[in-house]
Amino acid sequence: EDKVVQSPLSLVVHEGDTVTLNCSYEVTNFRSLLWYKQEKKAPTFLFMLTSSGIEKKSGRLSSILDKKELSSILNITATQTGDSAIYLCAVGQQPGNTPLVFGKGTRLSVIA
Amino acid sequence: EPEVTQTPSHQVTQMGQEVILRCVPISNHLYFYWYRQILGQKVEFLVSFYNNEISEKSEIFDDQFSVERPDGSNFTLKIRSTKLEDSAMYFCASSGVRVGTEAFFGQGTRLTVV
Repeated sequence: EDKVVQSPLSLVVHEGDTVTLNCSYEVTNFRSLLWYKQEKKAPTFLFMLTSSGIEKKSGRLSSILDKKELSSILNITATQTGDSAIYLCAVGQQPGNTPLVFGKGTRLSVIA
Repeated sequence: EPEVTQTPSHQVTQMGQEVILRCVPISNHLYFYWYRQILGQKVEFLVSFYNNEISEKSEIFDDQFSVERPDGSNFTLKIRSTKLEDSAMYFCASSGVRVGTEAFFGQGTRLTVV
């Protein structure tokens, strides 16, 4: 059975801290790994990773995929209270239009 | 910026009633999906739709569920006879013109079955 495991399940940090969220996967015919941020409702897209070792960056967020270890990390530097959310990891498989398999998410709380 | 829109944002219905959840995917996208998220649980795939037909469905998507693309823009999920356990957030998603592009999600419809 395909699975995506995220850790930790929840995390509380202070503003300004740096956090690392983990995602590991066991799926057949891996195509891509995606990170989403879920605040009140919809998951909003952050990154899609297909190649190992290439960091994707957007402001204070960055992510990298390790296909050998079947894992990815999402880093957030200089955290702000607005970063408080559930961060979802999802894996896409071949062929490219197959549905995403989601992990349970990491609930990040950033306190002032 | 183009976005996936869903209506209604919240629907309360009595057990046994039929509900229709509506979605307008991003206009040039080709692949459409419904996912659901029961409170406190992970996002689960229900069904995918391409070229006017279901391309894949999960075990959750049983005979009480159906999807339709009645016109060029709307994509609907119908639940024929709702059960208490259908209470969840239902997300519509679409992905783009090229195979393998990221999926964009709508804001969701919170369905409460009482």
